[in-house]
Amino acid sequence: EAGVAQSPRYKIIEKRQSVAFWCNPISGHATLYWYQQILGQGPKLLIQFQNNGVVDDSQLPKDRFSAERLKGVDSTLKIQPAKLEDSAVYLCASSLGAERNTEAFFGQGTRLTVV
Amino acid sequence: RKEVEQDPGPFNVPEGATVAFNCTYSNSASQSFFWYRQDCRKEPKLLMSVYSSGNEDGRFTAQLNRASQYISLLIRDSKLSDSATYLCVAVEGWGYQKVTFGTGTKLQVIP
Repeated sequence: EAGVAQSPRYKIIEKRQSVAFWCNPISGHATLYWYQQILGQGPKLLIQFQNNGVVDDSQLPKDRFSAERLKGVDSTLKIQPAKLEDSAVYLCASSLGAERNTEAFFGQGTRLTVV
Repeated sequence: RKEVEQDPGPFNVPEGATVAFNCTYSNSASQSFFWYRQDCRKEPKLLMSVYSSGNEDGRFTAQLNRASQYISLLIRDSKLSDSATYLCVAVEGWGYQKVTFGTGTKLQVIP
């Protein structure tokens, strides 16, 4: 079974530039998550989708971050403009659904460096 | 106070030792709990779910204490391959609603 796919794996940008990350969840998984993991910290949930609807985006810095999941499958996360403190690994995860507790599978992440 | 707190460690233990990690959570509405393992520069992977009655999977045992709002992970007969960061996860509601990760506890098993 194919896992969660993310691209790119690495990205280096200058502050104030824009960047976008892409995630393709496991086929059939209704729930999709974007996490930000800063070095030495645990993953922080940025946004959670159930199909193409947003379930939780309370920790998403909406002045610069945006995410969408058109058609309830692939998702993109965008940062515009980037700040130095956005340097982190951005992890995408998916799970079967919100009706019952199921395992979340993570992609390998995109390591973003803002210089 | 962080919603999910863990001792960051590192815990340095010799091979064959038994080691235990605790994790405390502040949200009494948390319904389900998990331990994830994260290797250096890798993504987190589910190690085990934590049930009210406690559960065991080989050398790993997880316990939940709702009254004191903490969960624990016990690793017996530590292997070198157990070296990783162990992340505690608390979920409010069913089905991964309001998921909160702890900072993680780093374990280093020494030959």
